[in-house]
Amino acid sequence: GENVEQHPSTLSVQEGDSAVIKCTYSDSASNYFPWYKQELGKRPQLIIDIRSNVGEKKDQRIAVTLNKTAKHFSLHITETQPEDSAVYFCAASKGAKGNTPLVFGKGTRLSVIA
Amino acid sequence: GAGVSQSPSNKVTEKGKDVELRCDPISGHTALYWYRQSLGQGLEFLIYFQGNSAPDKSGLPSDRFSAERTGGSVSTLTIQRTQQEDSAVYLCASSLRPGGNYGYTFGSGTRLTVV
Repeated sequence: GENVEQHPSTLSVQEGDSAVIKCTYSDSASNYFPWYKQELGKRPQLIIDIRSNVGEKKDQRIAVTLNKTAKHFSLHITETQPEDSAVYFCAASKGAKGNTPLVFGKGTRLSVIA
Repeated sequence: GAGVSQSPSNKVTEKGKDVELRCDPISGHTALYWYRQSLGQGLEFLIYFQGNSAPDKSGLPSDRFSAERTGGSVSTLTIQRTQQEDSAVYLCASSLRPGGNYGYTFGSGTRLTVV
């Protein structure tokens, strides 16, 4: 089955700096890669996703890149703000190719220091 | 409903007792998922439903865990003879269709503590 590895497990950045979180996946058939943000004591929420027919997607200060050959994808947050502090999870699934549930990475705890 | 509802929000139970956790998905969402999140850990897949059937039960950790879904809506996760290692936050999510191409909406979870 699919296995998703996520790095780093913790990340501290100064406010205004950029943060990058990286994930690798094992199943080359996976084609859907979402990112979820979980603030302390709250539910995970989808912040951005990418499908395997594109290499990059951007939404304001957040961008995700996908390298299918290397089987890795990354989340980039620019101009970080204190409210970006949270745990971020990457995930992968086969999407429409199979009714498989999302497999999540173990999460990255991002701390933005004001 | 407007979101995914889970109840109870917190549950403290004695070791050996049975517990039932409830999930009420977004109306019209055909797929429903259960995940478990232990302290400081990631999201561990347990089971998912497409309608009332469960095509994938591979994540259930033992035969003490079972789940059902009725009427294509509410789902119940049952843990029998609870153990301390069952302590975790149990998250339910639903999506419009099965298959990860559709974003999940998570509930707020049930925090289970086995003492």
